[in-house]
Amino acid sequence: QVQLVQSGAELEKPGASVKISCRASGYPFIDYYVHWVRQAPGQGLEWLGIINPADGRSNYAQDFQGRVAMTRDTSTTTVYMELNRLRFEDTATYYCARGQPGVILDWGQGTQVTVSS
Amino acid sequence: QSVLTQPPSVSAAPGQKVTISCSGGSSNIAKNYVSWYFQVPGTAPKLLIYDDNKRPSGIPDRFSGSKSGTSATLGITGLQTGDEAAYYCGTWDASLSGGRWVFGGGTKVTVL
Repeated sequence: QVQLVQSGAELEKPGASVKISCRASGYPFIDYYVHWVRQAPGQGLEWLGIINPADGRSNYAQDFQGRVAMTRDTSTTTVYMELNRLRFEDTATYYCARGQPGVILDWGQGTQVTVSS
Repeated sequence: QSVLTQPPSVSAAPGQKVTISCSGGSSNIAKNYVSWYFQVPGTAPKLLIYDDNKRPSGIPDRFSGSKSGTSATLGITGLQTGDEAAYYCGTWDASLSGGRWVFGGGTKVTVL
């Protein structure tokens, strides 16, 4: 079955960077895009961007351009999302999700990122 | 401020029907398929409806989706206590270079 297993919780200081991994299994890795979505405490869903594992090309939400980078490793079927220059308001649960540009199908379990001094 | 507009909350008694609206525009809902997700607090969202009105396997036919113009609607019939969750609509938006995925702000369903 499709599985997206994310790395564990992170605690970072303002200005630092965080890199989250998302290991995919149960489907052809290069056939589906991976979205990244976050959810601040008590808030709704916010899209960060999308990466095409087939060629590594990505497209980022305007609010995160210059601060986010999405990469993939086809040998381990893992996608990574790195967010730089962290701010307190980046505290959220970050999700990877399999899909296409026009649909989000399956979600990872989420990774809690806490930004605190 | 979400690109897609949903009511913050809806409620009904067990067995009743609720509908959740999702209002967008010409660059998103009018041009692309809409999906719906539900999320129980503390868990990841889950796909409920895709391609406007299709249900993934395992989703009961009490859940339905429809779309007209720049708006989409999720319907839930035979409301159950287990349906209490937040519901989000989402779609691709082509208004910016490269496009982006957009969500509604979410609707909390309460079973009275």
